[in-house]
Amino acid sequence: GQNIDQPTEMTATEGAIVQINCTYQTSGFNGLFWYQQHAGEAPTFLSYNVLDGLEEKGRFSSFLSRSKGYSYLLLKELQMKDSASYLCAVRGYGNNRLAFGKGNQVVVIP
Amino acid sequence: NAGVTQTPKFRVLKTGQSMTLLCAQDMNHEYMYWYRQDPGMGLRLIHYSVGEGTTAKGEVPDGYNVSRLKKQNFLLGLESAAPSQTSVYFCASTEAETLDYEQYFGPGTRLTVT
Repeated sequence: GQNIDQPTEMTATEGAIVQINCTYQTSGFNGLFWYQQHAGEAPTFLSYNVLDGLEEKGRFSSFLSRSKGYSYLLLKELQMKDSASYLCAVRGYGNNRLAFGKGNQVVVIP
Repeated sequence: NAGVTQTPKFRVLKTGQSMTLLCAQDMNHEYMYWYRQDPGMGLRLIHYSVGEGTTAKGEVPDGYNVSRLKKQNFLLGLESAAPSQTSVYFCASTEAETLDYEQYFGPGTRLTVT
């Protein structure tokens, strides 16, 4: 089985940097994913990590440590439009589905 | 290219009524999924399919049935709706065995059971 844990909510100021953590326990591992979901909308794919280290995509970066069962999503130069829920998801080895965490609501204030 | 579409967008049912939610994708994806999303619970997998004619149970399958008669369509059925099935339902699809395994989501169906 899989167990995924994320903090529920955080508030940050426009222009700042925010780090969203995710810890997981899984019987097999074949990738960790981050999705963004604005209120009332569908989730959209942000990033994917399968090897340890940092993946950078513009203002967003995602880090993975497989030995620690830990990932974080880093959002730089926060903008008001980044106010959303950020979902961490894990794919187990050899399976073709994702297990999602409950999401972390980020509120960006001026 | 419409991506993933869901029908209907909103629905109100009375307890005991039945309905079918339709998901369609035009990306020729092999895998399709039905999730439900409730406040504070995140996305939970109901059923999924790894190809035409195949279906499998997810995390919360009770009270739901599915069918994948055509590759592009994945139907979710509620035979006898209960208030506990009030939720937002998302369909998603992905190619088989892609490196980043990105799932594409439909816009959601908001279902209320009274």
